Amino acid sequence: QVPLVESGGGVVQPGRSLRLSCAAAGFTFNRYGMHWVRQAPGKGLEWVAVIWYDGSGKYYADSVKGRFTISRDNSKNTVDLQMNSLRVEDTAVYYCAREINGGCMDVWGQGTTVTVS
Amino acid sequence: DIQMTQSPSTLSASVGDRVTITCRPSQNIYTWLAWYQQKPGKAPRLLIYKASSLESGVPSRFSGSGSGTEFTLTISSLQPDDFATYYCQHYNSYSGTFGQGTKVEIK
Repeated sequence: QVPLVESGGGVVQPGRSLRLSCAAAGFTFNRYGMHWVRQAPGKGLEWVAVIWYDGSGKYYADSVKGRFTISRDNSKNTVDLQMNSLRVEDTAVYYCAREINGGCMDVWGQGTTVTVS
Repeated sequence: DIQMTQSPSTLSASVGDRVTITCRPSQNIYTWLAWYQQKPGKAPRLLIYKASSLESGVPSRFSGSGSGTEFTLTISSLQPDDFATYYCQHYNSYSGTFGQGTKVEIK
């Protein structure tokens, strides 16, 4: 059982929207905060957003604030990233990751690719 | 916002070498620092958390140290599987800022 599997990536025009989803399995999902992290082609890692284990806290990088929304459904073991008003610079591989020990990430998905062009 | 500066950006080393990577946050982050390893086309792997705690399953040749505004990741004896890019990260419950990465290459 793969712990985290992302889906929803694709090619989208600037200004359009896309929704990513991450399905969790094999652990008690509602006990963990979840993050989205992205990596533009040939670049480093960029933290995008976090949602607390119960959904009560949601925080975003300045680069996506107001455009992206993180949400979770603990009954379905999923965490989503709604991306609106997409820009060319949002092109990246998007990873979801499980949080431990106050915010670091011990389990990662394989990533899903978003191309804005 | 806290900025994380890693050095060097690239490091050339040989198998068996002792390797040290430095991470300097722009302000005191106590010990809220993690280190990750990433290989091309793969997701990152957590190596160290809370500055010096070794993640389960990570070889003991990896170690982390430091606090406040200076941290180091040390690989005591570089192995072929260790050639990769390494990232530091300051983390808390509402953000997570990565350093720009250090690529460890074969000399």
